[in-house]
Amino acid sequence: QVQLQESGPGLVKPSQTLSLTCTVSGGSISSGSYYWSWIRQPAGKGLEWIGRIYTSESTNYNPSLKSRVTISVDTSKNQFFLRLSSVIAADTAVYYCARDIVGPMDVWGKGTTVTVSS
Amino acid sequence: DIVMTQSPDSLAVSLGERATINCKSSQSVLYSSNKKNYLAWYQQKPGQPPKLLIYWASTRESGVPDRFSGSGSGTDFTLTISSLQAEDVAVYHCQQYYSTAPYSFGQGTKLEIK
Repeated sequence: QVQLQESGPGLVKPSQTLSLTCTVSGGSISSGSYYWSWIRQPAGKGLEWIGRIYTSESTNYNPSLKSRVTISVDTSKNQFFLRLSSVIAADTAVYYCARDIVGPMDVWGKGTTVTVSS
Repeated sequence: DIVMTQSPDSLAVSLGERATINCKSSQSVLYSSNKKNYLAWYQQKPGQPPKLLIYWASTRESGVPDRFSGSGSGTDFTLTISSLQAEDVAVYHCQQYYSTAPYSFGQGTKLEIK
């Protein structure tokens, strides 16, 4: 079955860019009518949807983060990516990638913790 | 943005008893053309990612026990666990996907054993 795995630095300095990769295994990222989403969760808090990608030309972003977020995809590597620029302490969270079946998210990665600190 | 508000924030229920979690949206998530409610429920156990339980407000995801059920329409929704089991201890989240600008989640409800 499809599995997702996040990877990237666990520590990012303030004002720098957070970059994460989600690797999809057990299925092709370009097959089916799936979107691929990023979601984050600060410690002890609720879930915040960051954005999603369908093809390299089709993305949706949370308006609250849109000016700082870029989501992209590399179908040859079966990976999609998150870039969040100008990070601050409030961006510290567990970051999840998930398969988005046009709304509900049915497969999630285990999550990766990113701390913003100097 | 569509704001999702869950109640209560936490809940303690005895084993074998019914647990009920509510979710209210700031605007209707019922799409008139297909009569579907764009509402999902997730279960999140400590240290784990969320797990999809229910979508379209009342459709159980494959493999989800039938003690979990979803109901409601428009702006008011309920997740019910008919007979609480020890493995159901978790935080439960509702999510609307009526609007992708943005998708939004409730703040979560922590369910514990009394």
